[in-house]
Amino acid sequence: NAGVMQNPRHLVRRRGQEARLRCSPMKGHSHVYWYRQLPEEGLKFMVYLQKENIIDESGMPKERFSAEFPKEGPSILRIQQVVRGDSAAYFCASSPIRDRAFYEQYFGPGTRLTVT
Amino acid sequence: ELKVEQNPLFLSMQEGKNYTIYCNYSTTSDRLYWYRQDPGKSLESLFVLLSNGAVKQEGRLMASLDTKARLSTLHITAAVHDLSATYFCAVVRNRDDKIIFGKGTRLHILP
Repeated sequence: NAGVMQNPRHLVRRRGQEARLRCSPMKGHSHVYWYRQLPEEGLKFMVYLQKENIIDESGMPKERFSAEFPKEGPSILRIQQVVRGDSAAYFCASSPIRDRAFYEQYFGPGTRLTVT
Repeated sequence: ELKVEQNPLFLSMQEGKNYTIYCNYSTTSDRLYWYRQDPGKSLESLFVLLSNGAVKQEGRLMASLDTKARLSTLHITAAVHDLSATYFCAVVRNRDDKIIFGKGTRLHILP
């Protein structure tokens, strides 16, 4: 059973371009979370999705950021018109169910976005 | 608002020594995690602590939880260089199951 997969692992974009980050959850997992990690910081929650549904996007910046998790295919975090401050590591995590007794998130390897 | 504070944020220690990392959180939670992150890598789950008085051990690492004091500790026994990494404490917010991370403790063990 492959773990959570993210691609690309490294992404360089110039200011004003778009960044698309992909996340394939573990097999059998239907819940996906995106986090952002700035240098020297912990992870900050961005968005929680189930298939075709955004459950909680309270951590997403109001502009330029969007996320989706379609019925088929990976979850995508999209950043339009990137700025230098978007440079960070973006981690995706997945979990199987919302049973609180066994709830745990499994993290992907991350995408390191550099905006030049 | 749930806040998670770790200390120290940086720790440099000699091999063979013992040390403890502390994690305080500000509101009641049912679940606390410890993760390890190596530079440029993802997070590796070390421990999940669910109840007051819970203690878990894996090799030279031992984690404990005191829900009354809202405090978890990660104790390192006879440190070895391989344990050099950043260690994160993360607490689940009860009202929406969101995971709130501390800033991490960067541990550097000198050979």
